[in-house]
Amino acid sequence: GAGVSQSPSNKVTEKGKDVELRCDPISGHTALYWYRQSLGQGLEFLIYFQGNSAPDKSGLPSDRFSAERTGGSVSTLTIQRTQQEDSAVYLCASSFDRNTEAFFGQGTRLTVV
Amino acid sequence: AQSVSQHNHHVILSEAASLELGCNYSYGGTVNLFWYVQYPGQHLQLLLKYFSGDPLVKGIKGFEAEFIKSKFSFNLRKPSVQWSDTAEYFCAVMTNSGYALNFGKGTSLLVTP
Repeated sequence: GAGVSQSPSNKVTEKGKDVELRCDPISGHTALYWYRQSLGQGLEFLIYFQGNSAPDKSGLPSDRFSAERTGGSVSTLTIQRTQQEDSAVYLCASSFDRNTEAFFGQGTRLTVV
Repeated sequence: AQSVSQHNHHVILSEAASLELGCNYSYGGTVNLFWYVQYPGQHLQLLLKYFSGDPLVKGIKGFEAEFIKSKFSFNLRKPSVQWSDTAEYFCAVMTNSGYALNFGKGTSLLVTP
């Protein structure tokens, strides 16, 4: 597609349930980022994938968070045993390589009730 | 740890007023610098970027930013704002030793008629 696509756009889940968020990057982009955007907190880096290299997971807030990128394209962010503090907008971005501008998707708004 | 500071969290201006949003970063090495904008209900978009060369860079919609290496700053400016500039503005830094874009907490700009 023309841009970064994320699904679902909105997700409401019960506390304790697992959720999966999907990101389709721009075709040909080797770099893929996940960020979390909370009110007043800006964009919090979660994880970064670059080609076939091991991902930079340094931003994941706990071991309940994980992400994978299959075939160097689609990525899934999984949050296990969701907590209310996980409520936020989760943003995915991709770039041609790690030194070029990133293009963002519309985000997935996660609400944990 | 590397950080990005945006000193103005909320700015209110009248149309035609001049705008300057501050951005400072803490990293001594080579950096790539970005300003992103998020209009209400839309995804993050790149306003402008600095990789190298002329430290005064021009972006879309009349925005410009100046990289001052000695001050570790990359302030965003626009001579005359419009109502349509109402948005949230994010400064971001990418270092040559890291991979992730690090964002500031953002500045919310409201332009009144």
